[in-house]
Amino acid sequence: GAGVSQSPSNKVTEKGKDVELRCDPISGHTALYWYRQSLGQGLEFLIYFQGNSAPDKSGLPSDRFSAERTGGSVSTLTIQRTQQEDSAVYLCASSLFTGGKGLAKNIQYFGAGTRLSVL
Amino acid sequence: DQQVKQNSPSLSVQEGRISILNCDYTNSMFDYFLWYKKYPAEGPTFLISISSIKDKNEDGRFTVFLNKSAKHLSLHIVPSQPGDSAVYFCAASANSGGSNYKLTFGKGTLLTVNP
Repeated sequence: GAGVSQSPSNKVTEKGKDVELRCDPISGHTALYWYRQSLGQGLEFLIYFQGNSAPDKSGLPSDRFSAERTGGSVSTLTIQRTQQEDSAVYLCASSLFTGGKGLAKNIQYFGAGTRLSVL
Repeated sequence: DQQVKQNSPSLSVQEGRISILNCDYTNSMFDYFLWYKKYPAEGPTFLISISSIKDKNEDGRFTVFLNKSAKHLSLHIVPSQPGDSAVYFCAASANSGGSNYKLTFGKGTLLTVNP
């Protein structure tokens, strides 16, 4: 398909286990983003990739969270030793944004998300 | 501290009437604003945007108004249709400040359009 693809769509795990979430962005989009939406909250920025580099990881909640992107395409978000407070919908987005300042439009296109439940 | 606020968690409107969704922001560095629509079990989809050099942007039934002095924007949908029923998120970015990659979202407003 032409949109952002995320897998799995749902993930149930036990507290303390590690999980990997995958994002396949729109072809040609150099920018990739991870957001998290907890129950009743807005989308919370986690990390931004430009190509394979992550200029801004400031939104990652703790060192249990990490992300990588390879080949300027697919990204994985890894959560180690999951906790119950990690339960949320994890959303990935991509865009044509190539960096730099100024009033450049940066319209981000989102996947359907991965709903993570930590028991 | 929430920098983008959508104070109405829900809004119910009759089909054919106007829907007005409101959004307030506190960060004066924000200069680009977007509205996203989200259906259940789907990702947010881009609807309309406005930059701070404008005070109005229109696209079909959707119009966004920006009042910079009040740090307030609104989305008008006219006429409202049942298919518009969804959660609407307001988002902002600080393009001139170099954080134009990062969107800051409100908590969303659930719009229900009744037939």
